[in-house]
This record gives sequence, C-alpha cells and structure tokens, in this order.
Amino acid sequence: KNQVEQSPQSLIILEGKNCTLQCNYTVSPFSNLRWYKQDTGRGPVSLTIMTFSENTKSNGRYTATLDADTKQSSLHITASQLSDSASYICVVSDVYGNNRLAFGKGNQVVVIP
Amino acid sequence: DGGITQSPKYLFRKEGQNVTLSCEQNLNHDAMYWYRQDPGQGLRLIYYSQIVNDFQKGDIAEGYSVSREKKESFPLTVTSAQKNPTAFYLCAVRAGGHTGELFFGEGSRLTVL
Repeated sequence: KNQVEQSPQSLIILEGKNCTLQCNYTVSPFSNLRWYKQDTGRGPVSLTIMTFSENTKSNGRYTATLDADTKQSSLHITASQLSDSASYICVVSDVYGNNRLAFGKGNQVVVIP
Repeated sequence: DGGITQSPKYLFRKEGQNVTLSCEQNLNHDAMYWYRQDPGQGLRLIYYSQIVNDFQKGDIAEGYSVSREKKESFPLTVTSAQKNPTAFYLCAVRAGGHTGELFFGEGSRLTVL
C-alpha cells in the first residue's frame, strides 16, 4: 500500500525562526508530490507541486525540496510568522492519476510570539 | 466569486438520520472528490466522479452515497448506515492534466449527537 510518513508530528517554533518539515513516501511509480497548508477548520490550500524532474520549488517563504531517489521531501519555512501556524500536509501521486492520492497525516506547526 | 462552496459549514445530526452535504463548484472542471478527515489521520477518499452521471467508490464508501447530475454539483449523503459519521468532510475539484491542481472547499463538520 502506498504510504506517506511525515515528521515531526508537531512542533512549536518562535516567530521569526526557520523550521523544516519532512515527508518520506513509498508511492511507486512516482508522479508528483504536493505540499498543502491547512488552517484549523479550513480546507487545505496548495503551496507547491513537484514532479520527478524538479528538486526544489519556492512559494514565498516556503521552499520545498524533493529527492526522488531516496523518496524524501522537505518543506522549509523561513522567518516564520504567526500566520504560519497550521497543519502542513504532504500528498503524493502515482502515475495513474489523482484518484488514488496518498496523504500524510500532516505536520502541526505552532508559531509563538 | 470563483471556487468551491461547501454547505453547511457545521451540521448536527441525531443517530439514525441521513444528512446531505452540498458541494458546488464554478471552476468548470470535471473531476470532483469527497474526502473524510479525522484527527491525527490523513485524508481518506470516500467517492469521486470524473464526469457527469458517473462516480466511483473510494476507500471508505460504506455508509455514504453520492450523485453527479450536474457538472457543478457533487452532493454527499451520509446515511444512517455509517457507523462513525462524526468527522470533517472535504470536497475537492481537480483541474485537468496529469498533475492537475487539486482545489479544496472549506469543509463541513458533521457531529452526530
């Protein structure tokens, strides 16, 4: 069964600091990996999507990396803000399309002043 | 205003009652999805529809039903057969293409009393 594992499950960081979230997957054959941000009680919002040939992609203060050989991805948050407090979800797709996406459980980030 | 509209945002139900969650989109995309989100778990696929008048069961379809009579609408009915219906329900719409962006609605929280 395709799996996506995220770590750490949760973390608390001081406003202004950086943090890195990890995503390991076993999905095969791999197509693409997405990171979503989900505020409490809201729907997820896309941050980045990366295909096999891409190893880094940025969206403002969010930078995602992908190592398709080791099946690992990371999401780096730079100069965190209080609004970064959310769950960050890693989603991996195989080549057969979006009907069977594999979702991680999320990294819960709390930014404190 | 473009996007995905889910309603109601909050819903309370007595045991034994069926409830229907609405999902409407004006993004003009064909593929629509229903996911269930429980605390500490990844999103799980309930049903999906790739085109009007067609839909397929996902991983946890038991106790749920859907219809797709119009391109814009994909309502989900939570029946009394669903043993543990209290959850956060998310509707999503996929843009075309193999790496088509997946857009989520704001979610509906169902609580069974």
